Amino acid sequence: AQSVTQLDSQVPVFEEAPVELRCNYSSSVSVYLFWYVQYPNQGLQLLLKYLSGSTLVESINGFEAEFNKSQTSFHLRKPSVHISDTAEYFCAVSDLPSNTGKLIFGQGTTLQVKP
Amino acid sequence: DTGVSQNPRHKITKRGQNVTFRCDPISEHNRLYWYRQTLGQGPEFLTYFQNEAQLEKSRLLSDRFSAERPKGSFSTLEIQRTEQGDSAMYLCASSSGTRPTETQYFGPGTRLLVL
Repeated sequence: AQSVTQLDSQVPVFEEAPVELRCNYSSSVSVYLFWYVQYPNQGLQLLLKYLSGSTLVESINGFEAEFNKSQTSFHLRKPSVHISDTAEYFCAVSDLPSNTGKLIFGQGTTLQVKP
Repeated sequence: DTGVSQNPRHKITKRGQNVTFRCDPISEHNRLYWYRQTLGQGPEFLTYFQNEAQLEKSRLLSDRFSAERPKGSFSTLEIQRTEQGDSAMYLCASSSGTRPTETQYFGPGTRLLVL
């Protein structure tokens, strides 16, 4: 069975500092990986995804994630965070065996950006 | 494109009562998902519709839960004889296309509190 583990429940960081949110997955088949962000009182929004090809994927707001098959990781990074990046971040894997597209999520990481 | 909408946004009910939630997906999205999110956890898959057909149900979906998607448009999720353990955020997501890797667009959720 596939699973996702987000290693940090909360990550406090000062504005303009770099940040890494860690995500490890477990799967016996090929994986499709996603990062979703949930801002306060809003629905989840896709931040970026890895399906195939380049192992480094980027979002439009400066986040990037690297698929590392040997370490079964998909960590999310940003070189300089803003106050507006404060949100809950969820790593997810697509449940390929079911072919429905259902997502298996990690527990989430709260990013708290301080001024 | 007005996004995925869910109603009501909040619901407080007494144990033993029945509740029904509604999800309106993005127009012409053929795939629809329900997830449940409890405090401090990531969303967990409940059920999946492709058009009007319910193709997968999680074992989390006990016989007190029922979901429908008549005519492949909006969907309803009903919980009968609610229990305190049903308290959670219920999320709906929709996507289009034939590939399970298509981006899922989430609604804002319905927060249920069972007293």
